[in-house]
Amino acid sequence: AAGVIQSPRHLIKEKRETATLKCYPIPRHDTVYWYQQGPGQDPQFLISFYEKMQSDKGSIPDRFSAQQFSDYHSELNMSSLELGDSALYFCASSPRAGGENTGELFFGEGSRLTVL
Amino acid sequence: AQSVTQLDSHVSVSEGTPVLLRCNYSSSYSPSLFWYVQHPNKGLQLLLKYTSAATLVKGINGFEAEFKKSETSFHLTKPSAHMSDAAEYFCVVSDPSSGTYKYIFGTGTRLKVLA
Repeated sequence: AAGVIQSPRHLIKEKRETATLKCYPIPRHDTVYWYQQGPGQDPQFLISFYEKMQSDKGSIPDRFSAQQFSDYHSELNMSSLELGDSALYFCASSPRAGGENTGELFFGEGSRLTVL
Repeated sequence: AQSVTQLDSHVSVSEGTPVLLRCNYSSSYSPSLFWYVQHPNKGLQLLLKYTSAATLVKGINGFEAEFKKSETSFHLTKPSAHMSDAAEYFCVVSDPSSGTYKYIFGTGTRLKVLA
């Protein structure tokens, strides 16, 4: 079965550089979530999109932006990278709320960003 | 507002003994509750979910959880631990609102299995 695809899986950047992470949700899933998980931390919600519109916003820094495209894939753009941005970034998708949707999130394997 | 509390940050058990990972939640709605497992440097995998059907939920790898509304708990159990169960476990509550779900993560419980 198709899963959530994230790329790249690993990324190394210098401070003050920019980085872009991509997420391809499961087909027919129209909701995408981004989470940041620092070392030894629980996942922190950054932002979510539903039908290409931002649906909720969490603890996403102003240096970060994200969008969902017409094919439902999403990109997380991070600028002026700081050492503290080093983390595992997860994307998750879910089908539309309601109906047969039981609210389960389907996670990708994550993109590990290391800022030097 | 919804919240979830995982009562133990670390749990150690011997291989072959029972596992109990505790989770309490608060919710204004009828919640959906999930347990996810995360092995080192891996993504989160769904173990099981409760969505207002049977209160005793069976998941993968022999895990199960019981939804107890009176105790606002959703503890994860397994009769006999295996070495491969060593991982981080997250209890998650979801909040259906505005057509999308809000997912609240617990802080995680690291399970260590001793040989």
